[in-house]
Amino acid sequence: KNEVEQSPQNLTAQEGEFITINCSYSVGISALHWLQQHPGGGIVSLFMLSSGKKKHGRLIATINIQEKHSSLHITASHPRDSAVYICAVRSVQGAQKLVFGQGTRLTINP
Amino acid sequence: NAGVTQTPKFRILKIGQSMTLQCAQDMNHNYMYWYRQDPGMGLKLIYYSVGAGITDKGEVPNGYNVSRSTTEDFPLRLELAAPSQTSVYFCASSDNYGYTFGSGTRLTVV
Repeated sequence: KNEVEQSPQNLTAQEGEFITINCSYSVGISALHWLQQHPGGGIVSLFMLSSGKKKHGRLIATINIQEKHSSLHITASHPRDSAVYICAVRSVQGAQKLVFGQGTRLTINP
Repeated sequence: NAGVTQTPKFRILKIGQSMTLQCAQDMNHNYMYWYRQDPGMGLKLIYYSVGAGITDKGEVPNGYNVSRSTTEDFPLRLELAAPSQTSVYFCASSDNYGYTFGSGTRLTVV
């Protein structure tokens, strides 16, 4: 079993829909990251969370430390949101290394 | 712009050849990393560094070497390239506020 599990692996939705991507982890963490990767592109950090909730534009990220679970929400989704979204956790054990989930491939159709 | 610069963006190597992937950051981050991303798989840590002169192995270090002579630079050396090293390589740096990734190097070994 992977230390970081994401669901769903693939998600297709229509423009305007509310999107939720889930991440569960099994290790102690100091922080959780949500990353975005466009096809053939680089990796962009969207959020770093250690508790609670963060919002940036149409993106919202939440984390429940007790349940070891995080969600990434996209409101009013748009085709330009189509990308792979990656959950990654920073272990409590040193060096700020990340352990990555497999990613969720999101496709938003116009 | 501040960030992580990786070169080259693409490279084709023949089996047995060697090469160095360059990585430089201008954010004065102590922590730097090399990850590889294989199709359909999460990113895996190759090597990391917690500061100039200090490096350590990650999950998949075999076939690679690194050095960290300055805070800014963290080159990754491939000796005797093998087809199994065909992948996309990402360099990253971090501090307590987040992670920054380079744009990636797509390497094919034939």
